[in-house]
Amino acid sequence: SQQGEEDPQALSIQEGENATMNCSYKTSINNLQWYRQNSGRGLVHLILIRSNEREKHSGRLRVTLDTSKKSSSLLITASRAADTASYFCATYTGANSKLTFGKGITLSVRP
Amino acid sequence: DVKVTQSSRYLVKRTGEKVFLECVQDMDHENMFWYRQDPGLGLRLIYFSYDVKMKEKGDIPEGYSVSREKKERFSLILESASTNQTSMYLCASSFRLAGVSYNEQFFGPGTRLTVL
Repeated sequence: SQQGEEDPQALSIQEGENATMNCSYKTSINNLQWYRQNSGRGLVHLILIRSNEREKHSGRLRVTLDTSKKSSSLLITASRAADTASYFCATYTGANSKLTFGKGITLSVRP
Repeated sequence: DVKVTQSSRYLVKRTGEKVFLECVQDMDHENMFWYRQDPGLGLRLIYFSYDVKMKEKGDIPEGYSVSREKKERFSLILESASTNQTSMYLCASSFRLAGVSYNEQFFGPGTRLTVL
């Protein structure tokens, strides 16, 4: 069952621009996480935001969480060609240690 | 750094063969997971384990089994491989504290399995 749904499915921007990706989910969560996957590789954890947090920063990443709307956004500022990857949101409900992943967003950053 | 390794990056097998995918993590994590990733479907959980010899079915366990004899090693077994099991397989691990898992999952590089 798909808990997180990312939007848009694909995003193409110019280097230096900001990239905003959204994730919506259906049930109450304990935390929400964002991951990056470079082509053909495993996923790398980027940032985790807990249900009692509204915003979190890590370097050029900013994540917001709106539990009333059941949505999150990931902002990458001043994007670089190296940010080209797929990005996944994943939700943790606190049950059985499981994360439920969305289908991912493909971000292309043009040099 | 946490390291999760998978036995093969690429694997080609024939229909009906028994296939073993091995995953090893070096951070003493309690939880280990097997996912498959297919275009347009994202990551889907096959099985997971939160302790040695323990296993739980994920969302798509049919056609797969797992083994966890040691804490650091989690194996995925395809008893009789079929073409619809052609996919990217990802292993992950995570830490468990006081019986609760909050933390991020650490992923291996993936095994791209092709079943002919």
